[in-house]
Amino acid sequence: RKEVEQDPGPFNVPEGATVAFNCTYSNSASQSFFWYRQDCRKEPKLLMSVYSSGNEDGRFTAQLNRASQYISLLIRDSKLSDSATYLCVVKGEGSYIPTFGRGTSLIVHP
Amino acid sequence: NAGVTQTPKFQVLKTGQSMTLQCAQDMNHEYMSWYRQDPGMGLRLIHYSVGAGITDQGEVPNGYNVSRSTTEDFPLRLLSAAPSQTSVYFCASSYRGQGANEKLFFGSGTQLSVL
Repeated sequence: RKEVEQDPGPFNVPEGATVAFNCTYSNSASQSFFWYRQDCRKEPKLLMSVYSSGNEDGRFTAQLNRASQYISLLIRDSKLSDSATYLCVVKGEGSYIPTFGRGTSLIVHP
Repeated sequence: NAGVTQTPKFQVLKTGQSMTLQCAQDMNHEYMSWYRQDPGMGLRLIHYSVGAGITDQGEVPNGYNVSRSTTEDFPLRLLSAAPSQTSVYFCASSYRGQGANEKLFFGSGTQLSVL
């Protein structure tokens, strides 16, 4: 079983829709959680960190459920420019090495 | 701010040739790493380093060598290129720390084709 699992999608949604992605992780000792965004043929870039109490950045909301070992990303009012692959990333305490999920593809259409 | 500089952007090799992918960062990051990304496989860690003079293997190290003689540079060497090494390669670096300091900075990638 892969350490970090994501539904690869694609999620195909119209502009203005709300879409949510989940990511599950297997290591209960994981301490740090992130969502990265990767555009086609580009490098991944940090979208947001995920905090225990949940956090919001504009139209994006991230949540962490330690008991069930998953994190989620909610995107409200989807824009065409949100089309990308969203990577779930998990790190253990004191570890340098992040573990990446394979990514979830989002396509927002007019 | 240059961030992470990765060269070349594109490279075509013949089977058996060797080459070095360059990676340099100007942020004084302790951690540097190399990933390859193949369709449907996600990012896979090749080698990483937690400081000058320290390197270690990742998930898919075979066929690659690295060295870290300075904090800034972390080159990746393909010793004898094989078609299975056709991929997109990313270099990434970060501070050691918690929270915002854990952010990974990526280079812009190298598209490598081995014929």
